[in-house]
Amino acid sequence: EAQVTQNPRYLITVTGKKLTVTCSQNMNHEYMSWYRQDPGLGLRQIYYSMNVEVTDKGDVPEGYKVSRKEKRNFPLILESPSPNQTSLYFCASSSGGVGGYTFGSGTRLTVV
Amino acid sequence: QKEVEQNSGPLSVPEGAIASLNCTYSDRGSQSFFWYRQYSGKSPELIMSIYSNGDKEDGRFTAQLNKASQYVSLLIRDSQPSDSATYLCAVRRGSQGNLIFGKGTKLSVKP
Repeated sequence: EAQVTQNPRYLITVTGKKLTVTCSQNMNHEYMSWYRQDPGLGLRQIYYSMNVEVTDKGDVPEGYKVSRKEKRNFPLILESPSPNQTSLYFCASSSGGVGGYTFGSGTRLTVV
Repeated sequence: QKEVEQNSGPLSVPEGAIASLNCTYSDRGSQSFFWYRQYSGKSPELIMSIYSNGDKEDGRFTAQLNKASQYVSLLIRDSQPSDSATYLCAVRRGSQGNLIFGKGTKLSVKP
């Protein structure tokens, strides 16, 4: 089944403790992206990647890192999480061209 | 001006009516347009895509695009309570894979 898989689905952590949210897609898509979604603010893009080793900042990249060492994986790293990073996070992938993004199931992160 | 704008709603329609959702975008270079449906706490789901001016129909859904007016809309005919969700408009510039999303319109279909 074609899908984007994120892990974990839920995560509660403490301020300053480094964490990684994994994202993997099995559709051989070139484009991958991370979004966060907060009430009233919609989907805001954190980072996106056009291909292996090619990434670019989205609208809200501060406090986040990404890497794209393999085509299928695009992890999101929070080096020192803070409470304002409490949010619902989505990973998505696309073949580019005329295709839309396919989204993962989401990761609900709480930083206390 | 935001890149992609939508009325946040809520838009309330009775069951069986036509729901009309609107979206405007600022970049005239945009070439691909998408509508996503998102239920509360779930991930966005692609329901329609449109690339050329005019209408595109898929079942009860019709997407309409007017590039001259920088306007894209989604019509839902015979609205059902199960259509109650937030509808997100997304726009792609050129051939890049990146999508820019609007904040979404919340639709409520009353039985």
